[in-house]
Amino acid sequence: GAVVSQHPSRVICKSGTSVKIECRSLDFQATTMFWYRQFPKQSLMLMATSNEGSKATYEQGVEKDKFLINHASLTLSTLTVTSAHPEDSSFYICSARGQGPYEQYFGPGTRLTVT
Amino acid sequence: AQSVTQLGSHVSVSEGALVLLRCNYSSSVPPYLFWYVQYPNQGLQLLLKYTTGATLVKGINGFEAEFKKSETSFHLTKPSAHMSDAAEYFCAVSGSPAGNKLTFGGGTRVLVKP
Repeated sequence: GAVVSQHPSRVICKSGTSVKIECRSLDFQATTMFWYRQFPKQSLMLMATSNEGSKATYEQGVEKDKFLINHASLTLSTLTVTSAHPEDSSFYICSARGQGPYEQYFGPGTRLTVT
Repeated sequence: AQSVTQLGSHVSVSEGALVLLRCNYSSSVPPYLFWYVQYPNQGLQLLLKYTTGATLVKGINGFEAEFKKSETSFHLTKPSAHMSDAAEYFCAVSGSPAGNKLTFGGGTRVLVKP
């Protein structure tokens, strides 16, 4: 089946620094990738949708200058959390869609802790 | 606007017993409904989905769910729980069958007792 990986699985960074999270589709080409955020004991919240070669579409309330998304190839999307603060600590999950059957394939998530 | 409510953040069942996870949704458009499972340290995996047609949907691992429009529900069931069913389960709704812009419920963690 389709596999999506994320790297790193866990990251700890200091307040004010930036951190990049990678999302890769390993065995298929992902025309569309999604980034979600999950707070402890809460739902996954869609942050943004990115199509390869286009600017990401952000959900209402998500700061596009803080959460930079790049989808430069059909197998890689990156989320950069800029000037991270403790309130950005969360679980970030990506998913990817191909052109075929209608299903999103999810990555395992990245746990970000900002100290 | 769409929303999903999963009743019970934790469910404990005995091995061999019925698993019932409740999901209610609200949607301003005809809903497309999904159930996902997440095992520890893994991504979400699609269990089943309802798009159109038959309201009783069968998925992987012996799970099934029934779409009841009058009750705005999409409850997930499995007749006999296995230890391997211990995981977190998410119900989600979308305005398209492709599952774009999924709105998730809060999740239900299932514990299976031997």
